[in-house]
Amino acid sequence: DGGITQSPKYLFRKEGQNVTLSCEQNLNHDAMYWYRQDPGQGLRLIYYSQIVNDFQKGDIAEGYSVSREKKESFPLTVTSAQKNPTAFYLCASSVDRPYAGYTFGSGTRLTVV
Amino acid sequence: ELKVEQNPLFLSMQEGKNYTIYCNYSTTSDRLYWYRQDPGKSLESLFVLLSNGAVKQEGRLMASLDTKARLSTLHITAAVHDLSATYFCAVDMRYGGSQGNLIFGKGTKLSVKP
Repeated sequence: DGGITQSPKYLFRKEGQNVTLSCEQNLNHDAMYWYRQDPGQGLRLIYYSQIVNDFQKGDIAEGYSVSREKKESFPLTVTSAQKNPTAFYLCASSVDRPYAGYTFGSGTRLTVV
Repeated sequence: ELKVEQNPLFLSMQEGKNYTIYCNYSTTSDRLYWYRQDPGKSLESLFVLLSNGAVKQEGRLMASLDTKARLSTLHITAAVHDLSATYFCAVDMRYGGSQGNLIFGKGTKLSVKP
C-alpha cells in the first residue's frame, strides 16, 4: 500500500544534539512538507519541497534543516540552534497540481531530555 | 499574511445534540480542508471543499464553504461519543499565495458526553 512512513515514532534529544527525523513516501508525490505541532495548537510549516534538490523555508524554519536528494525522501534535521524542539512533527506529501489532496505521515514525537 | 481562525476552540456536547464549528480565513482561497486528529495521532482527512457553495456530508458530519464570506462550517448532527477528537480546518495556499502549503486553524477540541 502507498503511504508516508515517518520514523522514529518517538525520539529523545539531549541538549546541544542534532537529530534527524525520517520521512519516506512511495506515492510518487512531487511535493513534501514538514509541519510542527505544539500542544493545543494547529500545525505550522517548517520547510517544504516541490521538486528534488529544491526546498523552501516555511514560517518557522530557524533551527531546522532539510534535504531532498530523492523524490521519495525528505529528512528533517533538528539542530542545536532550535531552542525549543519538543513537539510533534508531521510530514506530508502531495501531487503538485491544483485540487490534489495531502497525505500525512503518522508523526514523530520529539522530546528534549 | 493569511490567518485562519476557528471557533470555538473547545466544545463540550451532549450526545444527540447538534452543533457547528466555524472556520474564517482572511484571504482569497477556493480550497479548504477539514481534518480530524485523535490524541497522539496523525491527521485524518475528512473533507476537501473546492468551490464556492460546496457542501459535503459523511455520516454525522457536514461541511460547507462560502468563498465570498471566507467561511467554512463543520456541522455535527446528533453527536456520538466516537466523534470526540480535535478538528482542524486548513486553507490551501499553493496557488493563491507566496507559499505552497496548508495554513491551519488552531483546532476545535470536541468532547461528546453521554
